[in-house]
Amino acid sequence: QSALTQPPSASGSPGQSVTISCTGTRGDIGAYNYVSWYQQRPGKAPKLMIYEVTKRPSGVSDRFSGSKSGYTASLTVSGLRTEDEADYYCSSYTGSSDLRVFGTGTKVTVL
Amino acid sequence: QVSLVESGGGVVQAGRSLTVACAASGFEFYTYAMHWVRQSPDKGLEWVAHISLDGSNIGYADSVKGRFTISRDNSQYRIFLKMNSLRVEDTAVYYCAREILGTIGFDSWGQGTLVTVSS
Repeated sequence: QSALTQPPSASGSPGQSVTISCTGTRGDIGAYNYVSWYQQRPGKAPKLMIYEVTKRPSGVSDRFSGSKSGYTASLTVSGLRTEDEADYYCSSYTGSSDLRVFGTGTKVTVL
Repeated sequence: QVSLVESGGGVVQAGRSLTVACAASGFEFYTYAMHWVRQSPDKGLEWVAHISLDGSNIGYADSVKGRFTISRDNSQYRIFLKMNSLRVEDTAVYYCAREILGTIGFDSWGQGTLVTVSS
């Protein structure tokens, strides 16, 4: 159960877009369309932003979008705002015994 | 309004046991699978354990398998995590999280309870 690999940091100016990658293996991201993304602000619990690779829960801005290709999933934040500054984590289903795995996390900074 | 409230955290010596709990309200608890996820200080999220809606299907991360036990009481709308043989590296904020109905992902989280294991 190795963690999914994310870049430690990403940044962009207000109004720009930033894309965060999440790389797994054929046993997790490569095998299932059950990738989800979470936003975590300092001192707060994580918040679901994307599930099933591309779906947004109600109330989440359409500036957040997800995609997947092969063993890598991506989260794109468009029209960056200062409130988007946070840590972002991906997660995937891994099949057996309903196991799950998280990514290493990416800190997004709005310049 | 969905609410998940963890309790039971604290400071415990390595090798000892501790049980943390999560009280749910605002939804039909018995229709949802539930999870524990932890976060070590200034580190990332780590999935810990899962329990199906009726408790018949359970899974654990390798790092806690054989030491931690997840359970639930649907009559009390609570889940539990009994942690035995605690190690310093188990120090973390422990979150309970609700599985999205009908699919996979965590759509509601508690505020977390801090477990500190001292040597």
